[in-house]
Amino acid sequence: EAQVTQNPRYLITVTGKKLTVTCSQNMNHEYMSWYRQDPGLGLRQIYYSMNVEVTDKGDVPEGYKVSRKEKRNFPLILESPSPNQTSLYFCASSRDNRLTFFGQGTRLTVV
Amino acid sequence: AQSVSQHNHHVILSEAASLELGCNYSYGGTVNLFWYVQYPGQHLQLLLKYFSGDPLVKGIKGFEAEFIKSKFSFNLRKPSVQWSDTAEYFCAASSGGSYIPTFGRGTSLIVHP
Repeated sequence: EAQVTQNPRYLITVTGKKLTVTCSQNMNHEYMSWYRQDPGLGLRQIYYSMNVEVTDKGDVPEGYKVSRKEKRNFPLILESPSPNQTSLYFCASSRDNRLTFFGQGTRLTVV
Repeated sequence: AQSVSQHNHHVILSEAASLELGCNYSYGGTVNLFWYVQYPGQHLQLLLKYFSGDPLVKGIKGFEAEFIKSKFSFNLRKPSVQWSDTAEYFCAASSGGSYIPTFGRGTSLIVHP
């Protein structure tokens, strides 16, 4: 089954404690992206990747890092999380600009 | 910069009422347009999409959308809403140079039984 898998689904952490949210897709898609969803702001793109070792900033990249060492994985790294990064995060992948698959979401709370 | 605007942030309707949610985009050139729905506690699901051809697009669950190029709009419609349509609706767009869509801020729809 074609899918985008994020882990964990829920995470509560403390300010400053590094964390990684994993994202994996099994469709051999070149394009992957991370979004955060906040009430009244919709989905805002954090980072995206056009292919292995090719990443670029989206609209709200501050405080986040990503890596794309292999095609299927695109982890989101928060080196020093802060409470304003409390949000719902979605990973997405696509083969072209016509169809995007989304993960189930990761609800992160930073206290 | 490319952007997508949704003008209705909150919509409250009674069952059987008609629905129209506005969406405007600022892309130039060829654009692909989408409507996604997010039911409470769930991830995004694709309702319908427009790539080319007939500007009136029919999607799942009785939804449709009309692409009006001259107005840069892609409004979502449903003739008669149900309580189960309560959800958040997102308009999104992508173009030839962008492979991951840009989203609008979303519209929260509440349907009263």
